[in-house]
Amino acid sequence: GAGVSQSPRYKVAKRGQDVALRCDPISGHVSLFWYQQALGQGPEFLTYFQNEAQLDKSGLPSDRFFAERPEGSVSTLKIQRTQQEDSAVYLCASSFWDPVTSTDTQYFGPGTRLTVL
Amino acid sequence: SQQGEEDPQALSIQEGENATMNCSYKTSINNLQWYRQNSGRGLVHLILIRSNEREKHSGRLRVTLDTSKKSSSLLITASRAADTASYFCATDAGFGQTGANNLFFGTGTRLTVIP
Repeated sequence: GAGVSQSPRYKVAKRGQDVALRCDPISGHVSLFWYQQALGQGPEFLTYFQNEAQLDKSGLPSDRFFAERPEGSVSTLKIQRTQQEDSAVYLCASSFWDPVTSTDTQYFGPGTRLTVL
Repeated sequence: SQQGEEDPQALSIQEGENATMNCSYKTSINNLQWYRQNSGRGLVHLILIRSNEREKHSGRLRVTLDTSKKSSSLLITASRAADTASYFCATDAGFGQTGANNLFFGTGTRLTVIP
């Protein structure tokens, strides 16, 4: 089946512009995560949804970052008034809980590379 | 701040050789996972090892976990040029009832396999 998809793959924004990044998770996956990956670093957690509920947004770096998942499927990460330090790859992952193994494996999308000029 | 640290930061080997990467982490974990990331692509899950396991195999991959030392290692045997990628360890502390936990990633090891 289809994996996690993200769009756009690349986004260039001028400082101060608003951007919206989309994530289409694997069908049926309850959990959805957003991560930010700076150049040369590992991904860092931003926020987590269970269905439409945003259960954890502790990783969002500022109130300019906003995420939603209104129908419990597609999610959008919005960044308002972008700054140069927002330049990074934004990764989306979805997962489901496997009661047999008591684990959940996160499946990642290809990411959106955001460059703020 | 990130949970784990990989060592070495970069590794270059000849095709056919084995590659070993290490990961250290800071807090108690529920499980530890290894991911691969090719240039310009997303993360691909390789293997998960639970906190009560000490070793796990999957094809050419062997993972060990030492919770007393808060460390893990990933061994790739008989490496291939296609194994060239960045490798990350990721830990989760376990949030319990939902079973879904955000991951804490290390800084990664950049592996280059020379044909």
